[in-house]
Amino acid sequence: EPEVTQTPSHQVTQMGQEVILRCVPISNHLYFYWYRQILGQKVEFLVSFYNNEISEKSEIFDDQFSVERPDGSNFTLKIRSTKLEDSAMYFCASSERDGITDTQYFGPGTRLTVL
Amino acid sequence: AQKVTQAQTEISVVEKEDVTLDCVYETRDTTYYLFWYKQPPSGELVFLIRRNSFDEQNEISGRYSWNFQKSTSSFNFTITASQVVDSAVYFCALSEEMTGNQFYFGTGTSLTVIP
Repeated sequence: EPEVTQTPSHQVTQMGQEVILRCVPISNHLYFYWYRQILGQKVEFLVSFYNNEISEKSEIFDDQFSVERPDGSNFTLKIRSTKLEDSAMYFCASSERDGITDTQYFGPGTRLTVL
Repeated sequence: AQKVTQAQTEISVVEKEDVTLDCVYETRDTTYYLFWYKQPPSGELVFLIRRNSFDEQNEISGRYSWNFQKSTSSFNFTITASQVVDSAVYFCALSEEMTGNQFYFGTGTSLTVIP
């Protein structure tokens, strides 16, 4: 069964460093998403992406964050200058159609630890 | 204000008992979707079910069943004859037509099934 994959599974970085989290969505899906989950807390929406542009973003998704689909398969989340509070599990998701009417399938997550 | 409330933070049951996880949502939209996801100890999010606002039929899938009641804005999830493998955090989520693609997650209910 097709699935969303994410790399790396765990990333450790120093505060102020840039990180790029990578995702490979399900191949026929057109909508892509990033969420984060701070340890022990709920999952929070960051951004949705369709047709090579951001379609929705939350207030968490500030200028430190950016997303890109550099080729036909990868979808990346970049954090330019990491802060301690960016430590969280980051989930990528994809859906075949608009997320309102279709189900988002999640990847296994990347655990980001900022020291 | 919370759009999705999962009042039960933690539940413990003995194996083979039935358990119901509560979810109450809040929306002004007439078109919306409700979801349940499972997050096992390994951390990934696993899709369980999607329900749209126009379909109040209850759903049964094996040991899982869902009770959607618009009158009380609830979308409760029941596991019958619970098993140790059901131990996980369960998240209820809402997406609304008027707020685009983002999902609003509840804070989750941690279920422990004791053998």
